[in-house]
Amino acid sequence: GDSVTQMEGPVTLSEEAFLTINCTYTATGYPSLFWYVQYPGEGLQLLLKATKADDKGSNKGFEATYRKETTSFHLEKGSVQVSDSAVYFCALTGGGNKLTFGTGTQLKVEL
Amino acid sequence: GAVVSQHPSWVICKSGTSVKIECRSLDFQATTMFWYRQFPKQSLMLMATSNEGSKATYEQGVEKDKFLINHASLTLSTLTVTSAHPEDSSFYICSASSQGGGRYNEQFFGPGTRLTVL
Repeated sequence: GDSVTQMEGPVTLSEEAFLTINCTYTATGYPSLFWYVQYPGEGLQLLLKATKADDKGSNKGFEATYRKETTSFHLEKGSVQVSDSAVYFCALTGGGNKLTFGTGTQLKVEL
Repeated sequence: GAVVSQHPSWVICKSGTSVKIECRSLDFQATTMFWYRQFPKQSLMLMATSNEGSKATYEQGVEKDKFLINHASLTLSTLTVTSAHPEDSSFYICSASSQGGGRYNEQFFGPGTRLTVL
């Protein structure tokens, strides 16, 4: 079945540091890939998505590129802020409407 | 973006009692709602998918008689944990979609409900 593996956290960075959160997936066919973010006390919010190979999703300075050859969708941001502190989930959907999530990576950004 | 609320945000109950959790789409009509369960440091696991006016579709291994789902209107779905036991303690999250979710239709998530069964 479908699965998503993402790097374990927590990840602690200083403000303005470069962020990478790795995500790899296993799926049949051509899934759509997503990054969700969960701020403390809030529900998951869609951060960005990519629906086909080589697509790049971007939002709020975050980017991720759908790499079919490496089955990866790594999340990057060039300069993180304290307000980016949250839990980040990588996810995919296959042919249906079911979302398969990774375990989440907690990011803490310090001044 | 669209807003989904859950009520209550947390609940503590005694073993053997039933607990109802509500999920509401506040500013859009949700044709499909999803219920997830999240254990500490684990991913969200889909429990069931419900379409308004029809029976929920449960994932393999989820007891439909224990986790009763009702999606009676386009803005409300409820999850009732019947005869709750300590092993049912978890974080329950709902999501809603106006077009069924999936590849192109975004699911909007509620903030979750923390259930603790004593």
